[in-house]
Amino acid sequence: RKEVEQDPGPFNVPEGATVAFNCTYSNSASQSFFWYRQDCRKEPKLLMSVYSSGNEDGRFTAQLNRASQYISLLIRDSKLSDSATYLCVVLTGGGNKLTFGTGTQLKVEL
Amino acid sequence: DVKVTQSSRYLVKRTGEKVFLECVQDMDHENMFWYRQDPGLGLRLIYFSYDVKMKEKGDIPEGYSVSREKKERFSLILESASTNQTSMYLCASTIDRGRGNGYTFGSGTRLTVV
Repeated sequence: RKEVEQDPGPFNVPEGATVAFNCTYSNSASQSFFWYRQDCRKEPKLLMSVYSSGNEDGRFTAQLNRASQYISLLIRDSKLSDSATYLCVVLTGGGNKLTFGTGTQLKVEL
Repeated sequence: DVKVTQSSRYLVKRTGEKVFLECVQDMDHENMFWYRQDPGLGLRLIYFSYDVKMKEKGDIPEGYSVSREKKERFSLILESASTNQTSMYLCASTIDRGRGNGYTFGSGTRLTVV
């Protein structure tokens, strides 16, 4: 079983739609959680951290459920510029390393 | 603006060649990392270093070695390149590896081994 699992997609959605991505992780000792965004042929960049209480950054909302070992990302009012791959990332190994999911591809269409 | 610079964007090498991938960061970070990214497998950690001359194996170190002679430079070495090492290689650095939101990645080197 992979340490971090995501649905690869692609999710094809119209502009203005709300879309949600989920991610599960297997290591119950995982400490911190993040969503990174990766544009085509570019490097990953931090989108947002995920806190136990849930957190919001503009149109983006992240949630963490430690009991179910589950992380989510909600994007409201999708824009064309949101088209990218979203990577679920978990800090494990005593804080020594990041473990990446394979990513979920989002395509926002006119 | 902080930067992680990888020396080559695209590289084509022959099977059996010794290959050096260079990464330089200008942020005075102690921690540096090498990942490879493949479709369907995501980013996988090859090696990391938390200090000059220190190195630790990641999840897939076989066929690779690293060198960290100076704080700002972390080199990945393919001792004898093979076709299964064709991949996108990403370097990253962070001042505190206990904070997953502080990682900066280079723009990647796409290596093709023929």
